[in-house]
Amino acid sequence: GAGVSQSPSNKVTEKGKDVELRCDPISGHTALYWYRQSLGQGLEFLIYFQGNSAPDKSGLPSDRFSAERTGGSVSTLTIQRTQQEDSAVYLCASSLRFRRDTQYFGPGTRLTVL
Amino acid sequence: KNEVEQSPQNLTAQEGEFITINCSYSVGISALHWLQQHPGGGIVSLFMLSSGKKKHGRLIATINIQEKHSSLHITASHPRDSAVYICAVHTMDSNYQLIWGAGTKLIIKP
Repeated sequence: GAGVSQSPSNKVTEKGKDVELRCDPISGHTALYWYRQSLGQGLEFLIYFQGNSAPDKSGLPSDRFSAERTGGSVSTLTIQRTQQEDSAVYLCASSLRFRRDTQYFGPGTRLTVL
Repeated sequence: KNEVEQSPQNLTAQEGEFITINCSYSVGISALHWLQQHPGGGIVSLFMLSSGKKKHGRLIATINIQEKHSSLHITASHPRDSAVYICAVHTMDSNYQLIWGAGTKLIIKP
């Protein structure tokens, strides 16, 4: 399809396990963004990529979170040793250029940590 | 004309001053998001609001849906508030788009 895709759509995991969330941006979009939305909360910015590079990781909630992007396309958000407070919908967006163009969101991955 | 306009583009003020950054938009929105980009490039979310007013510490964000306008206020500004402040709007269409404004570069001098 032509939109942003994310997988899995739902993930239920046990506390302490690692999870990997995947984002396939729109083809040709150089910028990729990760957000999360916790129940009843607003959107929280996590990290952005320009190409394969993430200039700053300070938006990530803790050092258990990491993200990478390869080939200027697919991105993976990894959460190690998941905690219950990590439960949220994780949203990925992409745009043609960083900051200057509209971001298009994927459907999100709903993560539940038991 | 951009769908999201911020003003001013640049703002320099003295420590302690009350700061106001404005955001106007021309599209129908479901919510508006304020973000802060540090000089090092990192971005953090400040507020997400769809009506009324939110406050966090010295930061206050307001939105007027009828006027399609939002403001971000900083009370008792400090040099560490120096950053680019970005207004972004979530459009109402089904593709869930987020449109960013160009940002307001704020410098607070000691």
